[in-house]
Amino acid sequence: TQLLEQSPQFLSIQEGENLTVYCNSSSVFSSLQWYRQEPGEGPVLLVTVVTGGEVKKLKRLTFQFGDARKDSSLHITAAQPGDTGLYLCAGTIKAAGNKLTFGGGTRVLVKP
Amino acid sequence: DADVTQTPRNRITKTGKRIMLECSQTKGHDRMYWYRQDPGLGLRLIYYSFDVKDINKGEISDGYSVSRQAQAKFSLSLESAIPNQTALYFCATSDANIRDTQYFGPGTRLTVL
Repeated sequence: TQLLEQSPQFLSIQEGENLTVYCNSSSVFSSLQWYRQEPGEGPVLLVTVVTGGEVKKLKRLTFQFGDARKDSSLHITAAQPGDTGLYLCAGTIKAAGNKLTFGGGTRVLVKP
Repeated sequence: DADVTQTPRNRITKTGKRIMLECSQTKGHDRMYWYRQDPGLGLRLIYYSFDVKDINKGEISDGYSVSRQAQAKFSLSLESAIPNQTALYFCATSDANIRDTQYFGPGTRLTVL
């Protein structure tokens, strides 16, 4: 069982539709991050959230950290083909030396 | 030029062979990491190093070893490769003052036959 569970594992939508990806855990995280990974490349950091209830926006992407700091969501509004990729959440726990623990990822396909 | 580079980018080898994957960074970061990625499992930490004299085992270190030759270089070795080590391998770096942000290399696709 992974410490961070992402859902869904795969999402296929049409251009212009909205989507939400979830990241859940039974552990409390001191911070949580979202990365996007494209084929043939390493993950690239999108955002870091550290405060329970925090909401951050990055253009059409909205990230939320749960009040109890155990879960997070990524919402994309009016998805575009350029949003296609693997989305990974990763969290740090102070007691574990602040090492990143990754979720299994959500593969998003936005069709034109 | 890329800040974090990995060589080789692709490697096919046979069971029992010794393999070394290399990582170099120009970001000036003290902290370096090796991860492997398997479909549906995200990235799992193999080893990490907080400075040249510091090496730590990660979640899945069995079958792997590392060497931190310099601040900028961190290599991963598979002493005797086995097929279930077939995976994507990523090197990452982070700044000690901004620990949560990691910068990843482009990855090495390793296939063990």
